[in-house]
Amino acid sequence: EPEVTQTPSHQVTQMGQEVILRCVPISNHLYFYWYRQILGQKVEFLVSFYNNEISEKSEIFDDQFSVERPDGSNFTLKIRSTKLEDSAMYFCASSVDRTANQPQHFGDGTRLSIL
Amino acid sequence: AQSVAQPEDQVNVAEGNPLTVKCTYSVSGNPYLFWYVQYPNRGLQFLLKYITGDNLVKGSYGFEAEFNKSQTSFHLKKPSALVSDSALYFCAVRDWADSWGKLQFGAGTQVVVTP
Repeated sequence: EPEVTQTPSHQVTQMGQEVILRCVPISNHLYFYWYRQILGQKVEFLVSFYNNEISEKSEIFDDQFSVERPDGSNFTLKIRSTKLEDSAMYFCASSVDRTANQPQHFGDGTRLSIL
Repeated sequence: AQSVAQPEDQVNVAEGNPLTVKCTYSVSGNPYLFWYVQYPNRGLQFLLKYITGDNLVKGSYGFEAEFNKSQTSFHLKKPSALVSDSALYFCAVRDWADSWGKLQFGAGTQVVVTP
């Protein structure tokens, strides 16, 4: 069964540095999402992306965050200047369309640790 | 605003016994409801969904869930639990009016099945 793949599985970065988290969605999927889960807290929506544009974003997704689909396969989340509170598990998800009938498929996540 | 509550942090059950994981929701319109499971160091795996129709929905690995509109609940059930069902379970809701598929997750319930 096709899977969403995320790299790296664990990223350790100094505060203030830029970090890029990478995701390869399922090949025929058109809608892409990033969520994050701070340790011990809920999984939170960050952003959705379709047709090379952000379609919706949460309050968490401020100017420090950006997303991009640089080629036909990758979907990236960039944090420009990381803060300690950005430490979390980041999940990428994709779906074939935006109807509720099509569930979102999640990757295994990238654990981001900010020192 | 939509929200999801999972009132139990942990559910303990003996193998072979019925398993129930509780979820209640709040949305402004008709809800789309989902259950996901997370095994250690893995992403969220889709189990089942309620969109419309029969209140009892069946999903993967023998799980089912019952939608109860009057009680605004969507409890996950399995008639006979297995040790391998031990994992973290998340209920999620999507507002029917949300065009882009943003999911709102509950805090998660840890299920521990003992032999």
